[in-house]
Amino acid sequence: DAGVIQSPRHEVTEMGQEVTLRCKPISGHNSLFWYRQTMMRGLELLIYFNNNVPIDDSGMPEDRFSAKMPNASFSTLKIQPSEPRDSAVYFCASSLISLAGVYYNEQFFGPGTRLTVL
Amino acid sequence: KNQVEQSPQSLIILEGKNCTLQCNYTVSPFSNLRWYKQDTGRGPVSLTIMTFSENTKSNGRYTATLDADTKQSSLHITASQLSDSASYICVVSAHRSGNTGKLIFGQGTTLQVKP
Repeated sequence: DAGVIQSPRHEVTEMGQEVTLRCKPISGHNSLFWYRQTMMRGLELLIYFNNNVPIDDSGMPEDRFSAKMPNASFSTLKIQPSEPRDSAVYFCASSLISLAGVYYNEQFFGPGTRLTVL
Repeated sequence: KNQVEQSPQSLIILEGKNCTLQCNYTVSPFSNLRWYKQDTGRGPVSLTIMTFSENTKSNGRYTATLDADTKQSSLHITASQLSDSASYICVVSAHRSGNTGKLIFGQGTTLQVKP
């Protein structure tokens, strides 16, 4: 298996532009997570999906951020309009939920997308 | 307030030496604790996951301990190698109900192993 795939790996854009990050989870996994990592705040969970349905989006910073999962093999995180403070590394992770619950199952992280907003 | 604090913030050791990283948490209700290793420029990789009933868990040269009474965990690295240079992140799960628990992340410890 290729693992979690994210694209692009690097994105540089100007303030006000729309940014779309993409993620392909591990085949067979039924949960997908979007994280943001900065030096100041560390890793933060933004949103997670279970069976393509958003379950908890309490970590999404504001309305400029939106995430979709149209099918089991693809998800997007969109920022519109982007701001310099959105600069960070965005990680996607996937997991297979068992009866133990999503927060016990191991999450597999992608390589991340480094976003720079000028 | 749910919090996870790691110490030290950074650490430099010589190759072959042992080291111990600390994680203190104030999370309720506690579900499980994980240690992740994150190499520079890559995503975190899980090392161990422990529930409250598990006191210790090993993964090769990595050994994690958990004291649920004092709410402390440690990650011990034995006979360090240059490839151990990375950030180590402690993550605690606060389980509320069903699958709607919350993950609380520590800020990480940056370990540098020198030859």
